[in-house]
This record gives sequence, C-alpha cells and structure tokens, in this order.
Amino acid sequence: DVVMTQTPLSLSVTPGQPASISCKSSQSLLHSDGKTYLFWYLQKPGQPPQLLIYEVSNRFPGVPDRFSGSGSGTDFTLKISRVEAEDVGVYYCMQSIQRLTFGGGTKVEIK
Amino acid sequence: EVQLLESGGDLVQPGGSLRLSCAVSGFTLSSYAMTWVRQAPGKGLEWVSAISGSGSTTYYADSVRGRFTISRDNSMNALYLQMNSLRAEDTAVYYCAKDFVSTSSWYGGIDYWGRGTLVTVSS
Repeated sequence: DVVMTQTPLSLSVTPGQPASISCKSSQSLLHSDGKTYLFWYLQKPGQPPQLLIYEVSNRFPGVPDRFSGSGSGTDFTLKISRVEAEDVGVYYCMQSIQRLTFGGGTKVEIK
Repeated sequence: EVQLLESGGDLVQPGGSLRLSCAVSGFTLSSYAMTWVRQAPGKGLEWVSAISGSGSTTYYADSVRGRFTISRDNSMNALYLQMNSLRAEDTAVYYCAKDFVSTSSWYGGIDYWGRGTLVTVSS
C-alpha cells in the first residue's frame, strides 16, 4: 500500500497569515500517463470532505485562489496564502495511483 | 447540481449484515466510477471499495474484501454496499463519492461526496 504521511498534525494560524501542509508518499505518484495522482481535501466540522486541489496543483472550480498545491514524485505541499476563518477544518492529502489512501490529516484552527 | 444521498446506516450486532444505498442525481451515473469511503468516529478517512461505471470491475480494501460487496444500478441512479460479517471496527460514517473524471475504469480522484450514513456495530 502507498502510505501517505502528513505534517504537521495541527496548525494554529492567525487570520491573514500563510499556512503550509506537507504530504509525503511512500512511492512516486507519477503515473506512466504523465499525471501525478495527488489530491487535497478539506473537511470542515460536521461536513464531508470537499475537493480543493487535483493532480497536485489544479484548483477545483470554486476553490479560492489563496489555495495552491505544488510538488512532484513523493513530496507535496498545500499552501494557503492568507488564512481565513472559513478555512478551519482538517486537511487531507490522498493518492489514487494505487487504490486510494489518505494522509492522517492536518487540523487547522484559527488563533 | 450533483447530489449524493446515502441511507441504510444503523446499529447492528457483530456478525450481522447491512446494506447501504446511495441515491445520486445531477450527473449521468453510468459515466463515472463510484467509491465508498468510511470514517471511524474521530478518525481519518479510509477507502473501502470502488466500482467502474458499467459495474464490471470492482475494487476492495483488504480490510473488507470477502465481507463487503459493492454494486450499482445505473438505471435507478443508485450505488450500494452490502456489508456482511460486520465487526466492531467497521463502525464508521460511510460516504458515497463520485469519481472526478469520466472513464471506462476507475480514475480514483473524488470530486463530490455525500453527507454520509452512520454504521454502528455493537452488541
């Protein structure tokens, strides 16, 4: 199984400040089709997860541009340029190159 | 508007069975693979099973293979998860989820999730 490791476990951020979450996979997520199957989700309290970023760096329609994804191979990062109150929740990375596995989650709260 | 609505969650005894359903609308079900993902109380997300758009190919996590069966009825716009030999560790909210890309197999990336249905396995 592909193991996804997220850091940090939690993050407390002042509104308007940036935040960054790391996700590392146990094997490369680059497929032979040239795509890298890494996704980012946000699960707000009491809600199902919502897609933020697909294939490393593509924002899903409707996702604010303060969210950005980067990385390659086995190392990936989600950045929030200026955290807002509505960004609180648990962020998960997910890979789909081999079945599906999720990172353990990063809880983001506002200071 | 894409909508996914799960039902069928309940309290069941260890060793018992349950069938979850997911009613979908807002897209052509047969064009997309579908997935079940679960979340134990206070825990993270765990993939359970997936099925191709036609229903011809199914995929299972090792933890449920041989006990759970995924199926779909595209004419009824419905996805199912038959769960047998339930264990305490199957206790979770079960989410129905839609593939992001329309393919003949299984893309894997999820764009829409239902709100989930709670399965509790306890005596």
